[in-house]
Amino acid sequence: DVKVTQSSRYLVKRTGEKVFLECVQDMDHENMFWYRQDPGLGLRLIYFSYDVKMKEKGDIPEGYSVSREKKERFSLILESASTNQTSMYLCASSLNLAGAQETQYFGPGTRLLVL
Amino acid sequence: GQNIDQPTEMTATEGAIVQINCTYQTSGFNGLFWYQQHAGEAPTFLSYNVLDGLEEKGRFSSFLSRSKGYSYLLLKELQMKDSASYLCAVRDQERSNYQLIWGAGTKLIIKP
Repeated sequence: DVKVTQSSRYLVKRTGEKVFLECVQDMDHENMFWYRQDPGLGLRLIYFSYDVKMKEKGDIPEGYSVSREKKERFSLILESASTNQTSMYLCASSLNLAGAQETQYFGPGTRLLVL
Repeated sequence: GQNIDQPTEMTATEGAIVQINCTYQTSGFNGLFWYQQHAGEAPTFLSYNVLDGLEEKGRFSSFLSRSKGYSYLLLKELQMKDSASYLCAVRDQERSNYQLIWGAGTKLIIKP
């Protein structure tokens, strides 16, 4: 079974702090994704990566950056946290974007509260 | 534009059947996914449709009509553990790297 883990389930930070969210997958997947999930809205893609050191902006990259130094690990960084970044953050991975059924496997999520 | 619509919430009775609809508008449709998400947990994959018709998988079935931009998820013999949100997502080949567009999800409440 694919396992995607995230460094924290719950996190409380103050405005202006730098925040690191880490995600690790154990199935040698090429693709990794960071989403945020807010009530009443669909999952919104922040960034994704299709290879080590490769990254691409999603729909809402402002205020975020990412790092992928190793294939299994994808980090989301909030350079200076703001209250509007309070959200549930979900990491996902998938095997191959070109595949017919590119199923994404999700981590348990990190609920971030910015005060 | 690109848009996915699902009902916000539905209620059904244990043992019954429920159909959750999803309508979409995309310029480069390339497959539709259904995911289940229990409260406070990660979404988990349920089904995938890329051709018109019905895909059956145990108590769950998913239907797609590409000409109508329409899909539904059919849940039979409902159990209390089916109480969850059901997310519809469409893959769009005209978005960079075939990114998925996600609906807001349908919260399904099962009553005894």
